Amino acid sequence: DTAVSQTPKYLVTQMGNDKSIKCEQNLGHDTMYWYKQDSKKFLKIMFSYNNKELIINETVPNRFSPKSPDKAHLNLHINSLELGDSAVYFCASSRTGVLAKNIQYFGAGTRLSVL
Amino acid sequence: TQLLEQSPQFLSIQEGENLTVYCNSSSVFSSLQWYRQEPGEGPVLLVTVVTGGEVKKLKRLTFQFGDARKDSSLHITAAQPGDTGLYLCAGVGYNQGGKLIFGQGTELSVKP
Repeated sequence: DTAVSQTPKYLVTQMGNDKSIKCEQNLGHDTMYWYKQDSKKFLKIMFSYNNKELIINETVPNRFSPKSPDKAHLNLHINSLELGDSAVYFCASSRTGVLAKNIQYFGAGTRLSVL
Repeated sequence: TQLLEQSPQFLSIQEGENLTVYCNSSSVFSSLQWYRQEPGEGPVLLVTVVTGGEVKKLKRLTFQFGDARKDSSLHITAAQPGDTGLYLCAGVGYNQGGKLIFGQGTELSVKP
């Protein structure tokens, strides 16, 4: 029944490894997002996809590559993990259109710890 | 670059007290949202304000959007321990592809 679900919830890995986080939404939304929340709880957008097309790409290192196989899924792959990548990553989704007011529904987050 | 300055960053009060959280910007937003986040969970929308000067109430929470749509406030009356959490304001800019600009967040702790 979870509207936006992301896996895994916790990810502990060594520096230099490659890892993926998966996200799925069952709300029928056409736009999905990845956010990074740092240790000070600041939430910053990384990517946004609308109907599988990339529409927002903030200045994120090339090591981060989002992939949207369909509009209900948005995955995030991270290559060559660095210590500074440690954070909580949130997936979110929304409907497009003025009436939707860009209200976003967030997953529970993936806490990534790079050792 | 649009920024939202949220204050205070931390707030620890006793049950029954009132409090106000502020979000300010030099930029105009088409709308502004307030979210609440609990530990181990994602942010959950509380309210969206769209019109300059708009006031919305959600039980003991009152949200206001500034006349110029550059600032917003959240006022909680008679705070309760259940109000404890991280409060985030987020602005929707113009021609930004729906991007949300978040404030730094306010961590509220209400002690019984």
